[in-house]
Amino acid sequence: QVQLVQSGAEGKKPGASVKVSCKASGYSFTGYTMHWVRQAPGQSLEWMGWINAGNADTKYSEKFQGRVTITRDTSASTAYMEMSSLRSEDTAMYYCARGAYNSGWEPFDYWGQGTLVTVSS
Amino acid sequence: EIVLTQSPGTLSLSPGERATLSCRASQSVSSSYLAWYQQKPGQAPRLLIYGASSRATAIPDRFSGGGSGTDFTLTISRLEPEDFAVYYCQQYGSSTSFGQGTKLEIK
Repeated sequence: QVQLVQSGAEGKKPGASVKVSCKASGYSFTGYTMHWVRQAPGQSLEWMGWINAGNADTKYSEKFQGRVTITRDTSASTAYMEMSSLRSEDTAMYYCARGAYNSGWEPFDYWGQGTLVTVSS
Repeated sequence: EIVLTQSPGTLSLSPGERATLSCRASQSVSSSYLAWYQQKPGQAPRLLIYGASSRATAIPDRFSGGGSGTDFTLTISRLEPEDFAVYYCQQYGSSTSFGQGTKLEIK
């Protein structure tokens, strides 16, 4: 069965960076895109970007361009999301989610359990 | 960017009743590239509907989606206790974006 397992909660100070991992299993990792979506407390979902796990092409939301980097390690079937220059407004649950069609613009058929990132001085 | 507006913000109904949730787009969503998700407290979202009307794997047939262009609906024909949650729509026809959600609560 498809599973996406994310790394544990992180506590960071403003200005620091964070790197969240998402380990995939149960399917061919390189055959799908992986998206990152965040959700601030009590808020809706916000798409951040995606990576084509096969060729490593990436696409980012304009809001996060230059501050977020999505990478992958095919040998470990793992995708990563790194965010720099953290501020308190980045406190949120961060999810990885598999793209259903490997096209970039698609629904998300499987989700990780989420990683809580807390930014506080 | 396509903005999705969901209504109502909160819907209070009883088990067994019919629920109709709305998602309106600021411009036409190409090829009905619209999805619906369910999210329960402390859980990740779960895909219910894609392509406006196709049910995802293992989704009960009491869930149905409809609409096209700028107006879409999610209907739950007979509410079960486990259906009370927050529902989000997502468009993926032009980049991707989510609505602000509708909370379905027990009356």
